[in-house]
Amino acid sequence: ETGVTQTPRHLVMGMTNKKSLKCEQHLGHNAMYWYKQSAKKPLELMFVYSLEERVENNSVPSRFSPECPNSSHLFLHLHTLQPEDSALYLCASSPWRSSYEQYFGPGTRLTVT
Amino acid sequence: DAKTTQPTSMDCAEGRAANLPCNHSTISGNEYVYWYRQIHSQGPQYIIHGLKNNETNEMASLIITEDRKSSTLILPHATLRDTAVYYCIVRVADHNDMRFGAGTRLTVKP
Repeated sequence: ETGVTQTPRHLVMGMTNKKSLKCEQHLGHNAMYWYKQSAKKPLELMFVYSLEERVENNSVPSRFSPECPNSSHLFLHLHTLQPEDSALYLCASSPWRSSYEQYFGPGTRLTVT
Repeated sequence: DAKTTQPTSMDCAEGRAANLPCNHSTISGNEYVYWYRQIHSQGPQYIIHGLKNNETNEMASLIITEDRKSSTLILPHATLRDTAVYYCIVRVADHNDMRFGAGTRLTVKP
């Protein structure tokens, strides 16, 4: 049903590993977003890209590094994570940054050991 | 952005209307009210949004009070598949950076 896909769906990594999360949208949208959803905490906006340009970075630690090579793809590179970074990472897209509706992917469940 | 307040949880009988309230007493004139929901193990899903007038679509109705300080999302005939966390968000129209609160956990019971 969703036009936003995320891979992998589940990821377990050690604190010294480097991994990447991938998001792809098939909707022709121009804005993409990364969110973090931790247990017992509200959904937190991490990064916003509009026309492949990062327009917002909400004080996210540098161990999270986003990349948007084109309007259809969004990556989140992970490096030297902490156990408290374990969460559901959600990608979303919208036609434009000003569009009222965002389309979310199913998320990647990340566990840092 | 205006802060929203929602009940932590609600129950609804299957087939009955589910009425989910949201208070946003500090809303400003250019802020819209959005509703999303998140079914377990899925990403959030857009439901509806409005500014001043009541709105209806195939999923739900949105009733906004005349002073715009509160709103109600109505699911007219709730089904078991409507069990989810429902988020009320207030946001200006030109920024779509949704900032979610804790939401209301709606449980539809047989």
